[in-house]
This record gives sequence, C-alpha cells and structure tokens, in this order.
Amino acid sequence: EVQLAESGGGLVQPGRSLRLSCTASGFTFDDYAMHWVRQAPGKGLEWVSGINWNSGSIDYADSVKGRFTISRDNAKNSLYLQMNSLRAEDTALYYCAKDKHLAVAGLFDYWGQGTLVTVSS
Amino acid sequence: EIVMTQSPATLSVSPGERATLSCRASQSVSSNLAWYQQKPGQAPRLLIYGASDRATGIPARFSGSGSGTEFTLTISSLQSEDFAVYYCQQYNNWPRTFGQGTRLEIK
Repeated sequence: EVQLAESGGGLVQPGRSLRLSCTASGFTFDDYAMHWVRQAPGKGLEWVSGINWNSGSIDYADSVKGRFTISRDNAKNSLYLQMNSLRAEDTALYYCAKDKHLAVAGLFDYWGQGTLVTVSS
Repeated sequence: EIVMTQSPATLSVSPGERATLSCRASQSVSSNLAWYQQKPGQAPRLLIYGASDRATGIPARFSGSGSGTEFTLTISSLQSEDFAVYYCQQYNNWPRTFGQGTRLEIK
C-alpha cells in the first residue's frame, strides 16, 4: 500500500523559514517523480513544485520560485521542501504527492494527508 | 498559464441519479486532463486521467470524456460516498493547474 507521510508544518512568522518532509513507503520511491501541492484554507489546489526521480529535473510555481527548494533523498525514501522568506499567502495545507510517472508529468496518483503551514506574526 | 474553469460551482443531485460535471481549459490540453475527488478532511484522490482512463480501484460508475478544451466527468448513479468536491487538472503545460472545484451535494 502506498503511503506518504508529511511532517514539519507549524506556525512561523513572516520572513522566516520552514522545512517540510515527506516519507514514502509501499512503492519503489526512486522510480517516480514527486511533488508538493498546497491548499489554502477553504480554497482550491495549487501545484507548488516537482522533482523527477534522480533530481535532474525540477520545477516550481512562479509564486514560490526563488524562495522554495525541493529535494529528495532516494536512500531515505524522502522528499523535502525548504521554504524561505515565508509570506502570509503561503499559509496552506501542504500535500506530498506521488507522480504517476518517472519523469515530472504532474499527474498525482497518491497523496499524503498534508501538513499545515501557518505564516503569521 | 492555462486557466481551468469548472461548472457548476455547486451541483445538487439525488442519490441514484446521474451527475455531470464540466471543465473547460483556456487553451487545448489535448487529453492530458485528470479528475480528483476530495472529501472533507481528506486528501484528494485521483479518479480519472488521460481524460477518460479510470485510476486504480475507481468504480465503473465514474467516467470521463472530452479532449482539447472541453471535458466532462459523469457519475452514473450517485452513491452516498460520492458527495464531495471534484477538481479537474491539466498536465499538458507548466505550471500544472487545477480548476476551482465543483461541490457535489445531496439534493
């Protein structure tokens, strides 16, 4: 059974940093691209960032480019999101999502339960 | 950026009836269109990809159609567990974008 477990969310002041983690199990982690997708409270879904199987292809939404960094450690079956210079508009539930493909297709076939990031002073 | 527009925003349907949800893309996305279901307090679940292919474990009452800019998700006979929010998403162009969602509620 595919399982994705996010952690690292919390309350942070504007301008500060936070690092999210996602631990995967139930599939061969380094066979698939991975993503972060977020959902602001009561709102829709927004793709944030994606990384291919070997970290050779990475992309970001314009809203986070230059502030967020996605990475993965295949030996630890883990995905990360380093978030710097956080803003109030980054407040959201952050989901880790598995791509259906090895390359960064952006088709999300499994999702974690999310970790909540709240940016507020 | 491709804008995905879903209609209606809210759809009220009785159990056992058919529900038809629409999704329009601001430019062609070919057949690179997915549908997700999200229930309160839960993560989204992939229902349909490639505009019409059901994901693993998805019941046959869910079907998708369309290509280019116009897409439809049909639920043939609504069950109680189908009342949720449904999102379409294009994966043809970057950034990948979602529609704003259609809330399917019990009539």
